[in-house]
Amino acid sequence: GAGVSQSPSNKVTEKGKDVELRCDPISGHTALYWYRQSLGQGLEFLIYFQGNSAPDKSGLPSDRFSAERTGGSVSTLTIQRTQQEDSAVYLCASSRDFDYEQYFGPGTRLTVT
Amino acid sequence: AQKVTQAQTEISVVEKEDVTLDCVYETRDTTYYLFWYKQPPSGELVFLIRRNSFDEQNEISGRYSWNFQKSTSSFNFTITASQVVDSAVYFCALSEAGYSTLTFGKGTMLLVSP
Repeated sequence: GAGVSQSPSNKVTEKGKDVELRCDPISGHTALYWYRQSLGQGLEFLIYFQGNSAPDKSGLPSDRFSAERTGGSVSTLTIQRTQQEDSAVYLCASSRDFDYEQYFGPGTRLTVT
Repeated sequence: AQKVTQAQTEISVVEKEDVTLDCVYETRDTTYYLFWYKQPPSGELVFLIRRNSFDEQNEISGRYSWNFQKSTSSFNFTITASQVVDSAVYFCALSEAGYSTLTFGKGTMLLVSP
């Protein structure tokens, strides 16, 4: 079956602009996660959605970051007023329920110039 | 707070050698899950195994095997008869039950040369 998909695969933006990153999870998976991978920080958790529960936003690095998940499926991660330190690969993952293995998408490489 | 340590930053082996990737974890929970993921040069993280804290049986899948020892808080991964296609970064990760976000180690880069 189809895996997790993310778009765009690459995004170059100027400092100060807003960006939106999209994630389509595996069909039927109730849990969706966003992580960030950068050279300096490794893999970091950002935000987690589980069913209709309020999202766990404890990993978001600043209030410039937000995410939503519509209809329990597609998710969008928004970064406002991008900074150079936001440059990283943003990974989305989904799992059939909490505590199960997570399947990752190919990521969006964000470069802020 | 949980923590995962992969002390080996980079390992180089020649094809057909066996190699073990170390993973040490810290958690206060008694119920937790351990994972290994592979990230080949293409970049996509590939799930390899999930193990819960109550199951200390070692697992073997083809050339891959995992050794889970709660006494030493370790979850090591061995590749037998390594192949060039095994070249990748391998991540160990931990999640605490009911709080399923993953805490990753820094990863071990494995380079298998012909």
